[in-house]
Amino acid sequence: QQPVQSPQAVILREGEDAVINCSSSKALYSVHWYRQKHGEAPVFLMILLKGGEQKGHDKISASFNEKKQQSSLYLTASQLSYSGTYFCGSNNDMRFGAGTRLTVKP
Amino acid sequence: GAVVSQHPSRVICKSGTSVKIECRSLDFQATTMFWYRQFPKQSLMLMATSNEGSKATYEQGVEKDKFLINHASLTLSTLTVTSAHPEDSSFYICSAREGGANTEAFFGQGTRLTVV
Repeated sequence: QQPVQSPQAVILREGEDAVINCSSSKALYSVHWYRQKHGEAPVFLMILLKGGEQKGHDKISASFNEKKQQSSLYLTASQLSYSGTYFCGSNNDMRFGAGTRLTVKP
Repeated sequence: GAVVSQHPSRVICKSGTSVKIECRSLDFQATTMFWYRQFPKQSLMLMATSNEGSKATYEQGVEKDKFLINHASLTLSTLTVTSAHPEDSSFYICSAREGGANTEAFFGQGTRLTVV
């Protein structure tokens, strides 16, 4: 069963923040996040393994709740390069959510 | 990061013919490879999971006789679309990982298949 993502789409102005949520009806072994630009392959962002874990780099970070059923991706001070579709996935079976289309405008 | 090379990037074939897509891990040994199909503006739909030397595990609704997957070595998996029909036209992407569920997976560049 694939994770559920929300929102489906979000439009931001450069510099604004966004949160993308990913939830599962059952505990995940691990959760991973990818970004895909149009016509390209998905690019790995990060993987979270432990309940309660938070990690990030630059202005993109993520959390994994204690029950390992919910993860959020945080994008702060968004840049034009952040535009793309973000997918969360369950790393044990490699199934992905429906994706969140993020558009950052000048 | 690690590199996964997928070939060809684009292919056009006639209905009824077969097409083979290759997925290679260039700098690591891929114990597990995954094949996806993606329709425009939609998610990555897992088709099958393959482990080196074993038969692929297909997702429900994916015809294993139509989408033949071979993972003969730790660096190569192939997807063959047999007797292609126009409705098979899609973007096919592979991914590969070296370890288990606690390791990241890397994606190939994808193959745009058009069946005419």
